[in-house]
Amino acid sequence: DAKTTQPTSMDCAEGRAANLPCNHSTISGNEYVYWYRQIHSQGPQYIIHGLKNNETNEMASLIITEDRKSSTLILPHATLRDTAVYYCIVLIQGAQKLVFGQGTRLTINP
Amino acid sequence: KAGVTQTPRYLIKTRGQQVTLSCSPISGHRSVSWYQQTPGQGLQFLFEYFSETQRNKGNFPGRFSGRQFSNSRSEMNVSTLELGDSALYLCASSLLVNANEQFFGPGTRLTVL
Repeated sequence: DAKTTQPTSMDCAEGRAANLPCNHSTISGNEYVYWYRQIHSQGPQYIIHGLKNNETNEMASLIITEDRKSSTLILPHATLRDTAVYYCIVLIQGAQKLVFGQGTRLTINP
Repeated sequence: KAGVTQTPRYLIKTRGQQVTLSCSPISGHRSVSWYQQTPGQGLQFLFEYFSETQRNKGNFPGRFSGRQFSNSRSEMNVSTLELGDSALYLCASSLLVNANEQFFGPGTRLTVL
């Protein structure tokens, strides 16, 4: 079900912007791009989602390419607490269930 | 606003026993979904309840069941536990059924010996 490709792991220095890429080349017109993260020993946490326009909230920004085949999640000023596994998923609205792939393990280094 | 709470946080059982897990959704949320997470299988959907009715169901055996109460709190039951049931069981709440924006609790870590 997971139709996305993400790097297995990434590192980022504390205070820097963390840019997490995601490829979803087979995305269809009615599918949204969602991002969740899971900090160790906690439940997944919703971050942001978008259809085709760039989105920003208090946690992150989501940049979706014009052809919608890839996107980038940006954490503008990463902190140690942002160390987590980040999941990029594509879903239609009302998809009934979330399906996570392997995600990207992001490590923020001091 | 308080988040999703799950009890207990940790549980150890033996094969053949049964277990009941509890979830209290965010106030005002009427949908509760349950997921099983294991290192090998990742996150797998169990079922979703909305207004005390099961609305969606994943591909799990009948040993896994659930219910939702009028205050939206939900319980999940697993009977005749097997070693493979050891997992993190996550509850997520949302305002509406089939919502993609879900708010997860911390999970219940179940170990079956």
